Amino acid sequence: GQNIDQPTEMTATEGAIVQINCTYQTSGFNGLFWYQQHAGEAPTFLSYNVLDGLEEKGRFSSFLSRSKGYSYLLLKELQMKDSASYLCAVRSFYDKVIFGPGTSLSVIP
Amino acid sequence: EPEVTQTPSHQVTQMGQEVILRCVPISNHLYFYWYRQILGQKVEFLVSFYNNEISEKSEIFDDQFSVERPDGSNFTLKIRSTKLEDSAMYFCASSPGTDDQETQYFGPGTRLLVL
Repeated sequence: GQNIDQPTEMTATEGAIVQINCTYQTSGFNGLFWYQQHAGEAPTFLSYNVLDGLEEKGRFSSFLSRSKGYSYLLLKELQMKDSASYLCAVRSFYDKVIFGPGTSLSVIP
Repeated sequence: EPEVTQTPSHQVTQMGQEVILRCVPISNHLYFYWYRQILGQKVEFLVSFYNNEISEKSEIFDDQFSVERPDGSNFTLKIRSTKLEDSAMYFCASSPGTDDQETQYFGPGTRLLVL
């Protein structure tokens, strides 16, 4: 079966660091995406991990452990505009991409 | 900056009618995708398309759905006989198909409402 889990909601303070976790069980694995989606808008690509380890891009970092079926997205120096849903998605076989339910992040002053 | 475009932005149709959703992927991209997102739910993969044929499709993508790349720029999704449960936001995405194959660029979406 295919299953991707993320926390439904998280709240964090402006300027802080937040970690959004994702666990997956899929029938194949060819990489893991993180997307940001503001309400009513399209997903925006943040990161793609194929190999284990941490990848850093400015204020955003993404970590992958394939053996544990686990990833996280780390957001530093939170800004109000970071309030959005964060979507974890796994590329299983070939070009099939399975999305998790998303984590709604609220950044408060 | 190049972007994926979709038309129309909104479509209202009667149950049983055919709809065609249109997408113009980024010009040098080789891989094309359709996703849908029912209001309040997660994004769902429908189909991927490469080299003028479907490379993957989900269980949702049944005989009522078809995709086409009629010319060098457009990528369309057709729903032959719409059902109420087809009401959703439909996103088109494209990716380069090179070392950046993994980066999928989404269009703004078409909101489909079936009455």
